[in-house]
Amino acid sequence: AQRVTQPEKLLSVFKGAPVELKCNYSYSGSPELFWYVQYSRQRLQLLLRHISRESIKGFTADLNKGETSFHLKKPFAQEEDSAMYYCALSPYNFNKFYFGSGTKLNVKP
Amino acid sequence: SAVISQKPSRDICQRGTSLTIQCQVDSQVTMMFWYRQQPGQSLTLIATANQGSEATYESGFVIDKFPISRPNLTFSTLTVSNMSPEDSSIYLCSVQQGRETEAFFGQGTRLTVV
Repeated sequence: AQRVTQPEKLLSVFKGAPVELKCNYSYSGSPELFWYVQYSRQRLQLLLRHISRESIKGFTADLNKGETSFHLKKPFAQEEDSAMYYCALSPYNFNKFYFGSGTKLNVKP
Repeated sequence: SAVISQKPSRDICQRGTSLTIQCQVDSQVTMMFWYRQQPGQSLTLIATANQGSEATYESGFVIDKFPISRPNLTFSTLTVSNMSPEDSSIYLCSVQQGRETEAFFGQGTRLTVV
């Protein structure tokens, strides 16, 4: 069965500090991995997906199949990055998502 | 992108009653989904709403409790039946045009059962 684990419920960093939000997954096949973000009073929205290999708002995430991880990183956090971040897995050939429990990122001034 | 309107945005309901949540999309979409987010928990997929046929439910969710309709490519409803306090959650509608396309989410319906 598929499972997405985000071990940190809350992560607090100072502005300008590096940030890494951890995500581990378990799935027997070849999943697609995503990061979704929810800013205060806004709806959930896509931040990035591993197949596009993009950097969005300075965030990157590398899929490590050996460690089954998809950690989200940003070298210099900004206050506007404060939000709830969800890691999600989509099984190959299925249009649905399995979400982790989320990590609240708090960037302090 | 797809703009999703979900109604109601919140409601407080008596136990034993039912509530129907509506999801309206501003464009035709291939896939529509319903999720539940219980307090302090992650989003859990309830079912895939299939146009013109019965919804596909995930393990632990049944049609009698969560009947779903999808009469066309822009609209779906989720009913939470015979509610109990354990049904207090945020219910989210999500749409996707197809595989490898972005999933869009509604603002959610915050349900409190008393």
